[in-house]
Amino acid sequence: EVQLVESGGGLVQPGGSLRLSCAASGFTVSSNYMSWVRQAPGKGLEGVSVIYSGSNTYYADSVKGRFTISRDNSKNTLYLQMNSLRAEDTAVYYCARDVAAAFPNWGQGTLVTVSS
Amino acid sequence: DIQMTQSPSSLSASVGDRVTITCRASQSISTYLNWYQQKPGKAPKLLIYAASSLQSGVPSRFSGSGSGTDFTLTISSLQPEDFATYYCQQSYSTLWTFGQGTKVEIK
Repeated sequence: EVQLVESGGGLVQPGGSLRLSCAASGFTVSSNYMSWVRQAPGKGLEGVSVIYSGSNTYYADSVKGRFTISRDNSKNTLYLQMNSLRAEDTAVYYCARDVAAAFPNWGQGTLVTVSS
Repeated sequence: DIQMTQSPSSLSASVGDRVTITCRASQSISTYLNWYQQKPGKAPKLLIYAASSLQSGVPSRFSGSGSGTDFTLTISSLQPEDFATYYCQQSYSTLWTFGQGTKVEIK
């Protein structure tokens, strides 16, 4: 069974950093396209970043230069390093597995709150 | 970026109603269009992929159609468990984008 479990969210001050983790089971992270999607409170879904199986990465303009997506193949885990955090980065962050250009598998989400 | 526009933003319907939600892309995306259902406090759930293919385990009352720039999600007979927010998503471009969502509420 495919499972994705996020962790690492919490309260951080503006300008601070957090690293989110997404532990995968039931499939191999390195062989799949993996993404981070966020949802601000009461708002819609926003694509944040994607990492391809070949290691190419892409970012939304809103996070480019501040966020870094990566994976640890030995731990079968996806990461999102978030630096220079802003109030507008406050959201639930989901990791998702891409299968044939759709997301059938999602984690439960982890809440990031940026506030002083 | 490809912009996705859903309509309506919300609707009220009764159990048993036929419900249609539309999604328009700012440029042609062929059939690279997916539909998700989200309930409060939960992750989105994939319903339809590639514009018209039903995800495994999803009831057949859900269907999708369209290609190019205009797409439709139809629920043939609304059930109590279908009250939720629905999102379209294009997967044509490198960093896919979502519509703003359509909230389906009980009339």
